[in-house]
Amino acid sequence: NAGVMQNPRHLVRRRGQEARLRCSPMKGHSHVYWYRQLPEEGLKFMVYLQKENIIDESGMPKERFSAEFPKEGPSILRIQQVVRGDSAAYFCASSPSSTGELFFGEGSRLTVL
Amino acid sequence: GENVEQHPSTLSVQEGDSAVIKCTYSDSASNYFPWYKQELGKRPQLIIDIRSNVGEKKDQRIAVTLNKTAKHFSLHITETQPEDSAVYFCAARDNYGQNFVFGPGTRLSVLP
Repeated sequence: NAGVMQNPRHLVRRRGQEARLRCSPMKGHSHVYWYRQLPEEGLKFMVYLQKENIIDESGMPKERFSAEFPKEGPSILRIQQVVRGDSAAYFCASSPSSTGELFFGEGSRLTVL
Repeated sequence: GENVEQHPSTLSVQEGDSAVIKCTYSDSASNYFPWYKQELGKRPQLIIDIRSNVGEKKDQRIAVTLNKTAKHFSLHITETQPEDSAVYFCAARDNYGQNFVFGPGTRLSVLP
């Protein structure tokens, strides 16, 4: 059973470009969470999704950031018009249910030049 | 919303000694408390968890205790080894199945 798969693992963007981060949850998992981690810091919740639904987006900035988890395909975290402050590691995690364990992917490291 | 605090922020122990990391949470509705280990540049990995219907859980050298009344839970690592060196995060999830809230992390260094 493959784990949570994230790609790309590393992404470099210039200010003003768009970044798209993809996450395929573990097989059988329909709950996806996105977290952001700055160097030497903790895991900051961004958004929690189930298939085709956003359950909780209280941690996601209202502007430039969006997330989706379509019926088919991976979950996508999209950052428009990136700024240097968006540089961070973005971790996706999945769970089989709203009460299940949480498993993390290897993360996508975004660098904004 | 839930707030999770974690202490200490850094911890150094001699190899073979025990390490204890403590977390407190604010929402009495929280009922699931996992612990994650994150090595440098790697993903957080689940090492142990506890649900609110038990007070203690053990897995080899690792144990977690939960005090629901006081709203705190602790990670205990015995006979520490250099490979235990990492950042450890506690987390809490509420009864409504919403998001996991993480503590700020503890950097554990096990000195040979």
